[in-house]
Amino acid sequence: NAGVMQNPRHLVRRRGQEARLRCSPMKGHSHVYWYRQLPEEGLKFMVYLQKENIIDESGMPKERFSAEFPKEGPSILRIQQVVRGDSAAYFCASSPSGGAGELFFGEGSRLTVL
Amino acid sequence: AQSVAQPEDQVNVAEGNPLTVKCTYSVSGNPYLFWYVQYPNRGLQFLLKYITGDNLVKGSYGFEAEFNKSQTSFHLKKPSALVSDSALYFCAVRDMLTGGGNKLTFGTGTQLKVEL
Repeated sequence: NAGVMQNPRHLVRRRGQEARLRCSPMKGHSHVYWYRQLPEEGLKFMVYLQKENIIDESGMPKERFSAEFPKEGPSILRIQQVVRGDSAAYFCASSPSGGAGELFFGEGSRLTVL
Repeated sequence: AQSVAQPEDQVNVAEGNPLTVKCTYSVSGNPYLFWYVQYPNRGLQFLLKYITGDNLVKGSYGFEAEFNKSQTSFHLKKPSALVSDSALYFCAVRDMLTGGGNKLTFGTGTQLKVEL
């Protein structure tokens, strides 16, 4: 059973470009979460999605950031007009519906903005 | 809001000695608590969780954690540290139920360094 798959693992963008990060949850998991880890900092929650629905986006910056989890295909975290401050590791996690279980994390996508 | 605090940025311990990584929590209601480990340039790996039941929870790689309700603590422990345990450790608490999910709030992390 494959784990949470994230790609790309590393992404370099110039200021003003767009970054798209993809996440495929574990098989059978219908809940996806995105977290951001800035250098020397902990993990900050960004958004929680279920298929075709954003459940909680309280951690998403108001501008330039968006997320989706379509009926078919991976979840996408999109950052428009990237700035240097967006350089970070972005982690996706998934969980099954219900329960009180843990989150399963991917290996992360490391974004560098030049 | 649910939160956890990790008061130590770094913990140093000699190999073979016991280790403790501290975590305190603040929740309304019953806490659901977790420990994760992160190795350099990797994702987070689940170690153990406390939902209910015994206050001493056993997890992966010989780690265990003790839930203490009166002290609102959930410290991670291991009887005998290994150099390979050197990593970044995160305590986390489950947020209030929203949409049936498992949104976790993480502490700031504690860097564990085990030396020969």
